[in-house]
Amino acid sequence: SQKIEQNSEALNIQEGKTATLTCNYTNYSPAYLQWYRQDPGRGPVFLLLIRENEKEKRKERLKVTFDTTLKQSLFHITASQPADSATYLCALVPGGYQKVTFGTGTKLQVIP
Amino acid sequence: DAGVIQSPRHEVTEMGQEVTLRCKPISGHNSLFWYRQTMMRGLELLIYFNNNVPIDDSGMPEDRFSAKMPNASFSTLKIQPSEPRDSAVYFCASRFGGGAPNEKLFFGSGTQLSVL
Repeated sequence: SQKIEQNSEALNIQEGKTATLTCNYTNYSPAYLQWYRQDPGRGPVFLLLIRENEKEKRKERLKVTFDTTLKQSLFHITASQPADSATYLCALVPGGYQKVTFGTGTKLQVIP
Repeated sequence: DAGVIQSPRHEVTEMGQEVTLRCKPISGHNSLFWYRQTMMRGLELLIYFNNNVPIDDSGMPEDRFSAKMPNASFSTLKIQPSEPRDSAVYFCASRFGGGAPNEKLFFGSGTQLSVL
């Protein structure tokens, strides 16, 4: 069956360090992979998109990698700040299809 | 731009009652998605529409759930009869571009449903 797995346990890191979140998938052939941020009591907010033929994408302090051989995406936040504390969700979009399926999310806590 | 608007924000009802959740997508967006979020199962896709037409409802848990999109600016998700296990946060999201898979989703603030 299809699965999208993210670290179920919360990730605690010190302010200023780089946070790395993982998204692994099985039985999918995504053409696109998206990352969203969700704050408590709010809906998810889009951050970045990466295509299957792209290895890496950057936006300010954010970096996403996509390895279709390992079936994995890594999401990095450099120089992390307490304001980065939130739940981060990855989402997969199969090629030729429009359905957007989310992972369970990883809660990030940046400690001052 | 007001964003995706959902109502009500909170709904508390008793088991067996009918519940109707409402969503107004962003003007000009062609796709609309209904998701349900719980701690145990995360964010699950229930159904999505393109140009007001339901495309995939395979995530709708049971016949008790139904969704409609009578026009481009309004959608409803109905649960009849409701059960305690339906308690969750229900999100509506819209997307520009119809079938463009690389477009991002815009989410509403969600409806927190509690079925007692």
